[in-house]
Amino acid sequence: DQQVKQNSPSLSVQEGRISILNCDYTNSMFDYFLWYKKYPAEGPTFLISISSIKDKNEDGRFTVFLNKSAKHLSLHIVPSQPGDSAVYFCAATSSNTGKLIFGQGTTLQVKP
Amino acid sequence: DSGVTQTPKHLITATGQRVTLRCSPRSGDLSVYWYQQSLDQGLQFLIQYYNGEERAKGNILERFSAQQFPDLHSELNLSSLELGDSALYFCASSVGRLGNNEQFFGPGTRLTVL
Repeated sequence: DQQVKQNSPSLSVQEGRISILNCDYTNSMFDYFLWYKKYPAEGPTFLISISSIKDKNEDGRFTVFLNKSAKHLSLHIVPSQPGDSAVYFCAATSSNTGKLIFGQGTTLQVKP
Repeated sequence: DSGVTQTPKHLITATGQRVTLRCSPRSGDLSVYWYQQSLDQGLQFLIQYYNGEERAKGNILERFSAQQFPDLHSELNLSSLELGDSALYFCASSVGRLGNNEQFFGPGTRLTVL
C-alpha cells in the first residue's frame, strides 16, 4: 500500500522556468512533510519541510504548498537551474514517530 | 558531506551469506535510521534507534537485525541473504527521535547478492 505517491517519474523543464513536483498521500495521520533531493551516488539531502498547520513554506527558490483537504503537496522551484537536476523525493511522517514514508521519486532535468 | 558515514561503500556477496553494514551518525545526533532502496522501490524505512533503544520498526525482514551501540554508531546485520536483498542501504541520523527532526543521510552501502 503506497501511502505516499509521486505519480510523475520524470519532469523536464527549461532553465529559468518553474519546476512543479507533485506528491499525494493517503494517511490522514501524517502531519509533517518533507522534500529531499538526491544526486547519483549520494544520500538524499533535506530540502524543505512543512507542518500540517501551515499551507505554505518558502526557502529561497523553493516553496512547498500543502493542501490537506486534497492530501496533496507540491514543490515549486523558481527559477530552475541546471544544478537542480536530481531525483526529488517527497516524504511524510506523523510527528510522534521518526519513521519517514517516502514516495517513489521524480527525476527532474533542467535544460540549459 | 552530511556528517553521516557508512561503511563499506560497496559489498558483493553470495546468497546465504551474512553481512554487517556500519553507520556512524553525525556528532550529537542520538537517532539512527536505516532505509533500503531497491531498484523497483523507493526508500523503505527499516528501523530506528534512539540513544541505544529501538524506537520504530518498518517492514524489516526477520533475517535482518540492527543495534545501536553506546558510542551511538549502529550496525545493520543481514543474514541468509537472497538475490532480492540487493539494494542500496542508507543510514540517516537526527538529533531527536521524532519525524519533524531533519534526518541527515549517509552516502549509502550498495549491496549486491550474487
